[in-house]
Amino acid sequence: GESVGLHLPTLSVQEGDNSIINCAYSNSASDYFIWYKQESGKGPQFIIDIRSNMDKRQGQRVTVLLNKTVKHLSLQIAATQPGDSAVYFCAETSGYSTLTFGKGTMLLVSP
Amino acid sequence: DTAVSQTPKYLVTQMGNDKSIKCEQNLGHDTMYWYKQDSKKFLKIMFSYNNKELIINETVPNRFSPKSPDKAHLNLHINSLELGDSAVYFCASSQSLSQNIQYFGAGTRLSVL
Repeated sequence: GESVGLHLPTLSVQEGDNSIINCAYSNSASDYFIWYKQESGKGPQFIIDIRSNMDKRQGQRVTVLLNKTVKHLSLQIAATQPGDSAVYFCAETSGYSTLTFGKGTMLLVSP
Repeated sequence: DTAVSQTPKYLVTQMGNDKSIKCEQNLGHDTMYWYKQDSKKFLKIMFSYNNKELIINETVPNRFSPKSPDKAHLNLHINSLELGDSAVYFCASSQSLSQNIQYFGAGTRLSVL
């Protein structure tokens, strides 16, 4: 299940389950969105991106959904594996402005 | 071949000291960044440089001074270190200002005692 505690929101799933990580953004002018994965002790790593003229984009085992009406972004991971355990960040930007990162969600995958 | 490399990986120092973190990218990118990540994993932009020119300085204290000797390098010098500077600092680069996919280094964990 998903919980919001004193620290990072955490999503705990079993290996093989599908995971959905959600992100709300605030800037209605944002037109480009990126999901990053940060494993322990490493820097954030690009996963997938989506422009505001799309509402869905698929990669390998990952799908990003964008709902501009409610300013919501989600990352779906199919058949989650222990190697998917990490902190996931959404980031938004518009034009030449820099990326603004969300607060992050920790995904814990149990074997 | 590490695309964005930063050194050192760990830095432990006393309050009041001056320290530097180095960053190099071999991707041929024009734009480089420094981020600070706090204990709650929140990533906040500090600086961005494009072709050695400062583009963004996000209300960072003057004790932090970035230096870009060429577009492949962006170093971060910190004077008079304070306890609140303890964090993980990430360097990143992107192809240009308008190409927003940023590639991150592995981070430098700074501990100020």
